[in-house]
Amino acid sequence: RKEVEQDPGPFNVPEGATVAFNCTYSNSASQSFFWYRQDCRKEPKLLMSVYSSGNEDGRFTAQLNRASQYISLLIRDSKLSDSATYLCVVNIRGNTPLVFGKGTRLSVIA
Amino acid sequence: NAGVMQNPRHLVRRRGQEARLRCSPMKGHSHVYWYRQLPEEGLKFMVYLQKENIIDESGMPKERFSAEFPKEGPSILRIQQVVRGDSAAYFCASSPTIPGQRTNEKLFFGSGTQLSVL
Repeated sequence: RKEVEQDPGPFNVPEGATVAFNCTYSNSASQSFFWYRQDCRKEPKLLMSVYSSGNEDGRFTAQLNRASQYISLLIRDSKLSDSATYLCVVNIRGNTPLVFGKGTRLSVIA
Repeated sequence: NAGVMQNPRHLVRRRGQEARLRCSPMKGHSHVYWYRQLPEEGLKFMVYLQKENIIDESGMPKERFSAEFPKEGPSILRIQQVVRGDSAAYFCASSPTIPGQRTNEKLFFGSGTQLSVL
């Protein structure tokens, strides 16, 4: 089983739609979780950290379910500019390098 | 405050040549990570360095690849005798040391070097 798994998509949604991505991780001892965003041929950028209690940043909501070992990202009121690949990222332990999922591609269509 | 600087942006090499990729971390950052991204794949960790030390090289291929982060100057990822399979985007990231926080929790990425091997 891969350390971090994501549905590659693509998710094609109209502007204004709500879309959700899930990501599963294999190591139950994983400590920290993040969502990064990567635009085509560009560097990944941190979108948000994921906290145990769930957290929200504007139109974006992240949730963590430790029992089922998955995290989710919900995007409300999708904008054209949200079109990108969303990377699920997990810190297995301590200062070990972050493990990146392959990403889920989102296309928001006018 | 300049971000993470990588150069060159694009690098073309013929099979058998050497490739040198450079990364200057953000000012004040002493932790450098190299990741590789193959076409349609996710980022794969290669190596983690601090000044003059390799901390974790578990993702580095055993042969032809090496990395350094000298006391002065940028971090260098060196690939000897390149093959077509080395064609990929190579991203460098840096992070600061923040008391009470794991060093890898705030990664700032450079724009990457796209290596093409002919």
